[in-house]
Amino acid sequence: GAGVSQTPSNKVTEKGKYVELRCDPISGHTALYWYRQSLGQGPEFLIYFQGTGAADDSGLPNDRFFAVRPEGSVSTLKIQRTERGDSAVYLCASSLNGDSSYEQYFGPGTRLTVT
Amino acid sequence: KQEVTQIPAALSVPEGENLVLNCSFTDSAIYNLQWLRQDPGKGLTSLLLIQSSQREQTSGRLNASLDKSSGRSTLYIAASQPGDSATYLCAVYLGNEKLTFGTGTRLTIIP
Repeated sequence: GAGVSQTPSNKVTEKGKYVELRCDPISGHTALYWYRQSLGQGPEFLIYFQGTGAADDSGLPNDRFFAVRPEGSVSTLKIQRTERGDSAVYLCASSLNGDSSYEQYFGPGTRLTVT
Repeated sequence: KQEVTQIPAALSVPEGENLVLNCSFTDSAIYNLQWLRQDPGKGLTSLLLIQSSQREQTSGRLNASLDKSSGRSTLYIAASQPGDSATYLCAVYLGNEKLTFGTGTRLTIIP
């Protein structure tokens, strides 16, 4: 079956602009996660959804970052007033539910470059 | 705060050799540990998931072990092939819905 997909694969934007990054999880997966990976680092947690609600948004760096999952499937990560430090690969993952028994399956990521 | 360390940061070995990648974590109260690989420009592919009650998991030429009490895991790759070249990440799950990742080991298999 189809895996996790993310669009766009690459996004270049100017400092101060608004961007949206999209994630389509594996069908039937109720848990969805966003991570951010800077060059040479491992991914860092941003936010976790169980169904439509954000169960844990403790990883969002500041209030410029926001994410939604209105119908419990597709999720959008929104970044306002982008800064050069936001440049990274944004990864989305999904799992069957939030239970520890289940693996998280990752998408290919969106590479965001803020100029 | 959970910290995950992977040593070495980079490793090059001739094709055909067996090798071991190391992962250590500071908080032993983990629910599971996952090994993943990352190819340049691509996402993460899950390789093995070890639950906290397990000691090891095997898939093909890969074997992962877990020693919770000492905060360590190893990924053993047998008979390495050029296609194994990638960055290998370990990640621990504390039951708080998020994975905590190490910084990875960049593996190069020399043909």
